[in-house]
Amino acid sequence: AQRVTQPEKLLSVFKGAPVELKCNYSYSGSPELFWYVQYSRQRLQLLLRHISRESIKGFTADLNKGETSFHLKKPFAQEEDSAMYYCALTNTGANSKLTFGKGITLSVRP
Amino acid sequence: NAGVTQTPKFQVLKTGQSMTLQCAQDMNHEYMSWYRQDPGMGLRLIHYSVGAGITDQGEVPNGYNVSRSTTEDFPLRLLSAAPSQTSVYFCASSYRGLQEAQYFGPGTRLTVL
Repeated sequence: AQRVTQPEKLLSVFKGAPVELKCNYSYSGSPELFWYVQYSRQRLQLLLRHISRESIKGFTADLNKGETSFHLKKPFAQEEDSAMYYCALTNTGANSKLTFGKGITLSVRP
Repeated sequence: NAGVTQTPKFQVLKTGQSMTLQCAQDMNHEYMSWYRQDPGMGLRLIHYSVGAGITDQGEVPNGYNVSRSTTEDFPLRLLSAAPSQTSVYFCASSYRGLQEAQYFGPGTRLTVL
């Protein structure tokens, strides 16, 4: 069974500080990983996915298959980054499902 | 495009009542799904559909039914509401499947007394 673990519920940092939101996964095949974000009073939306290898709003995430991790990083946090972040996992096999972690609240203080 | 729309935004039910949460998308997406979001639990998949006429169960399907008679609509039915179904419900869609970005609706906040 596939599983996504986000070990922390809350991360609070000051503006300008580096941010790392942790995500570990459990899956025996070839995973596809995503980060979704939910800003206050907005819909859940895709932030980035590992297959695109892109940087969105200054955030990057590298898939580390050896450590089964997909941590989300940003070198300098901004107040507008405050939101709920979910890591999610799927695969390319038949009957695949999208499994979400429990989410982490990022609070960026001025 | 309106994207993914959900109605109602809020609903209060009594135990045992039934109701249907509506979800519609106007993006011609084949894949649609329903999640529930509970504090400390993240999002859990209830049911999903890979196209009109095809539905399947997710992680927490008990107490819920779905149907997909058209590409656009994917209603979620609560057969006999229970307090454990108090949650925020999200509908999502994507063009073909899970490897693409999922587009989420605004959510329905349901309280079962």
